[in-house]
This record gives sequence, C-alpha cells and structure tokens, in this order.
Amino acid sequence: DSGVTQTPKHLITATGQRVTLRCSPRSGDLSVYWYQQSLDQGLQFLIQYYNGEERAKGNILERFSAQQFPDLHSELNLSSLELGDSALYFCASSVADRGGNIQYFGAGTRLSVL
Amino acid sequence: GQSLEQPSEVTAVEGAIVQINCTYQTSGFYGLSWYQQHDGGAPTFLSYNALDGLEETGRFSSFLSRSDSYGYLLLQELQMKDSASYFCAVLNTGGFKTIFGAGTRLFVKA
Repeated sequence: DSGVTQTPKHLITATGQRVTLRCSPRSGDLSVYWYQQSLDQGLQFLIQYYNGEERAKGNILERFSAQQFPDLHSELNLSSLELGDSALYFCASSVADRGGNIQYFGAGTRLSVL
Repeated sequence: GQSLEQPSEVTAVEGAIVQINCTYQTSGFYGLSWYQQHDGGAPTFLSYNALDGLEETGRFSSFLSRSDSYGYLLLQELQMKDSASYFCAVLNTGGFKTIFGAGTRLFVKA
C-alpha cells in the first residue's frame, strides 16, 4: 500500500458527461501529480500541484481541470467526456516539488466512457 | 520536442541478467527515473539518476550518461515476479515535469 488513496476505483459514464476523480496524498506529501494511462500505453503526465499551487502542466486537455485543496487532497475534473477519455487515471504524491523525489502512486481510477 | 525510446518487449530466463535501455531527447534535463508496473497495478519507484554513473539497489541497478542522453536499468538474478512493465521517466523543466516512456514489457521464463 503506497499510502495514496484514489476514489472511485471504477467509473462508468456516458459521452458528454462530467466526472470528478479524487486523490488523497500520503501523509506529509505536498505534491500531487495526475497521469493518464490508456490501454497498453505509457503514462501521460497531466498536471502537478505543490501545496495548493499548480507547478507543471503536461498535455492536459482544456476539458480537464484539477485543483489541490488546503487539506492537500486533489481532484481531477473531466468534462464533455469522449470515448477516447477511457483510461486509467493515476494520482501520485511526493514530499518535494521537484527533483528525484520518489513519486508514490495510488491504485488508479479506471474510467470507462460508453 | 521531447521523446523517450525504450524497447517494447524483452524476454529473459529466470536467473539471467537483463538490461533495458532508454534514450531520451528533452530540454532542461534534470534526471532519469525508473518505475515498475505489474499488470493491473500501480507504478512503483525503482531508482533515480541525476548524475552520470551507476546506482545500485539490490538486484536492480540504473545507469545514466548525460552526454549520450542514455540510461539503462539492469536487473540481475531475474525472478518470475520481475515480469512486469518498466518505464523510464525524464524529469525536466527544472525538475517539475515528468515525462514517461512507453514502457518495456519484460517476460521472465522458467
């Protein structure tokens, strides 16, 4: 158990809908990262937050947004969902905001858009 | 642009040594990490190199050559449980942004 909690584990929804994925980082970790992993693909970096502030952005679609709250949990909002958004979404956390800090990954949320 | 290349698949026998290479092209290189992911599981951290040379952690070692934009993960005394996908990941943009490779699927045979 990495100590990173993601909910829900599975999500099934329809095209055009909006969903929110939640992540609670490990105790003491200030950084939260979001990744998308499509079937048999690598991890696509979406966005990173550190202590409530956005630190880095990857190829995150405009339909996607995220935030990190004062209690350090983070939410990833996906709207106007398309079939191609079906994927595993991972959250990771780390103590620091840069460098070789270890990223601890949650178990992921499997999103299926029908 | 930014890109990482690693072999898509590698097969080896139990007890053997295998090397998974990773070449990268990126701006503002900060360091190279390696992660392991079993089917259906979450990625787990294996190692990190910021400077040239070899880092050893038990049966796993990782190497980096910044001048060659190249690194590798070396797995020794392979065990069946090492069958998994292995991702190299580049940290750039001052160490904030993490870019993962497409992963190498390792099959360990008896």
